[in-house]
Amino acid sequence: GAVVSQHPSWVICKSGTSVKIECRSLDFQATTMFWYRQFPKQSLMLMATSNEGSKATYEQGVEKDKFLINHASLTLSTLTVTSAHPEDSSFYICSAREAEKLFFGSGTQLSVL
Amino acid sequence: QKEVEQDPGPLSVPEGAIVSLNCTYSNSAFQYFMWYRQYSRKGPELLMYTYSSGNKEDGRFTAQVDKSSKYISLFIRDSQPSDSATYLCAMTVQGAQKLVFGQGTRLTINP
Repeated sequence: GAVVSQHPSWVICKSGTSVKIECRSLDFQATTMFWYRQFPKQSLMLMATSNEGSKATYEQGVEKDKFLINHASLTLSTLTVTSAHPEDSSFYICSAREAEKLFFGSGTQLSVL
Repeated sequence: QKEVEQDPGPLSVPEGAIVSLNCTYSNSAFQYFMWYRQYSRKGPELLMYTYSSGNKEDGRFTAQVDKSSKYISLFIRDSQPSDSATYLCAMTVQGAQKLVFGQGTRLTINP
């Protein structure tokens, strides 16, 4: 199957700082990528849809100024958590579509102190 | 009513048992059906992909789609402790951007 690489795997930061998470499709081009958030023992929560060359589409209740998404190329999307606070601590997962299939990155555990 | 319903479990079975995981859905337009396996603190991994109705087999895994009943299943034969994970069903229509996911079923295989 297709490979999606996500970095970093985990990050610890101080409250008020910004954190960038990268998501790359390694062996295919992805015009559409998705960012999810997941709390312990809960299902995936879609945050936003990232389209190459255009603005991301955010789900209801997700602050676009807090979670900045950039999809500058067909193989790279980034999620920046700006001015992170402890309540932003969570597991973030990216995914990329190849035809009707969705392939996921390995996830990023963010801990904000 | 959710578009996709999946029993969250938890489901616990002994090693070697046949496991049956299921999802029901309400949108008859869904054409593409997927099963993902997610280990703790990892991203979901695509296990099975099926288009329209029918069965698909891959090793110990069999996916079934019954569009008339709006019901999909994943069977795991000769279950192993390493199969312990959360299993998510997902589906979509042609041309749609997003997949619709079930809640996920937590499965534990006991040695």
